[in-house]
Amino acid sequence: AQKITQTQPGMFVQEKEAVTLDCTYDTSDPSYGLFWYKQPSSGEMIFLIYQGSYDQQNATEGRYSLNFQKARKSANLVISASQLGDSAMYFCAMLFRAGANSKLTFGKGITLSVRP
Amino acid sequence: DTGVSQDPRHKITKRGQNVTFRCDPISEHNRLYWYRQTLGQGPEFLTYFQNEAQLEKSRLLSDRFSAERPKGSFSTLEIQRTEQGDSAMYLCASSSTPAADEGYTFGSGTRLTVV
Repeated sequence: AQKITQTQPGMFVQEKEAVTLDCTYDTSDPSYGLFWYKQPSSGEMIFLIYQGSYDQQNATEGRYSLNFQKARKSANLVISASQLGDSAMYFCAMLFRAGANSKLTFGKGITLSVRP
Repeated sequence: DTGVSQDPRHKITKRGQNVTFRCDPISEHNRLYWYRQTLGQGPEFLTYFQNEAQLEKSRLLSDRFSAERPKGSFSTLEIQRTEQGDSAMYLCASSSTPAADEGYTFGSGTRLTVV
């Protein structure tokens, strides 16, 4: 069975510092995609970054980077130079590509609070 | 195209009443998904459509829930005889087939409160 695990309690970071949000996953499928979404208090899920299981390099998008360790089955999100607007819930999600009925499966999320 | 739209944003209803939510996906996307999110949890898959065909329903979707996508465009999610346990955020998302590195685009959700 495929599973996404986010076990960190609420995370706090000082403004302008970097923070790492952990995500581990479990699957036997060789082909999959890993995503991070941000959900501010308004409720909308905002796509941040994507990593494919066959990608050789770690994904980066501006201040976001994904530390992908395939053998360890982890896909941690690194946010550099934190800003107050980064305070939100962050969800790791996985899209399993095997079969036509693939769909995004989410972890429980991590709350990030950025302190001024 | 302004993204995925959901209506209403908030709904308060009395237990036992029926409610209906609407989702308008991105027009080029032929897949449409419904998720439910309770407080402090990640979104849980409910059902999805490819064009007008409903291809999968989660076991979370009891017989009080029904979803339609009549012309392969907008979708509705109806909950009959609402219960307090139905209180949650209902998220709609859309994607192209296959959803490669762009993942899904989500709407802002409909927050349901059953009193």
